[in-house]
Amino acid sequence: AQSVTQLGSHVSVSEGALVLLRCNYSSSVPPYLFWYVQYPNQGLQLLLKYTSAATLVKGINGFEAEFKKSETSFHLTKPSAHMSDAAEYFCAVRKTGANNLFFGTGTRLTVIP
Amino acid sequence: DTAVSQTPKYLVTQMGNDKSIKCEQNLGHDTMYWYKQDSKKFLKIMFSYNNKELIINETVPNRFSPKSPDKAHLNLHINSLELGDSAVYFCASSQDWGQGGEQYFGPGTRLTVT
Repeated sequence: AQSVTQLGSHVSVSEGALVLLRCNYSSSVPPYLFWYVQYPNQGLQLLLKYTSAATLVKGINGFEAEFKKSETSFHLTKPSAHMSDAAEYFCAVRKTGANNLFFGTGTRLTVIP
Repeated sequence: DTAVSQTPKYLVTQMGNDKSIKCEQNLGHDTMYWYKQDSKKFLKIMFSYNNKELIINETVPNRFSPKSPDKAHLNLHINSLELGDSAVYFCASSQDWGQGGEQYFGPGTRLTVT
């Protein structure tokens, strides 16, 4: 079975500080991994995805994530937080050959001015 | 142009009623999905569907049923609504069946059952 665990349901950072949102996956086979962002009262928007190409994946809005098989991690980072980054972030996993996304419980990012 | 659209955005109804939520995608995708997001923001797959196969999450009550009149639409019908059905329901679509393509989400429908 595949699943993801997001450590920290709520992360606060100062504007301009590094953003680090943690995601660990559990999968019996190399998975596809995704990060989605959900702004208040909106749907989910894809930030980036890992599909077994480059281990360092760059996404939209300056976010990136690194796939580390040895640590079974896919942490999301951004060098400098912006007020507009405040949102809920979801890590998700999908097994190759399957359709369904399995989401983590989400991390709410607060950016302090 | 909205890629994945849902109607209505808000739906308030009483227990025992039957309701439907509509979903349309204009991306030409082959596969569509329904997710439920509960009050704690947890997202769970309910159905995935293309013209070949319907996969139902075994935890979904049979009061919920997806209906697909064509490839661009996947509507969600809910019979005998219960208080616990209150949630935000998201429709999504993707291009490839099981190929790792990203899913595109609609704006969600907030269902409140009173």
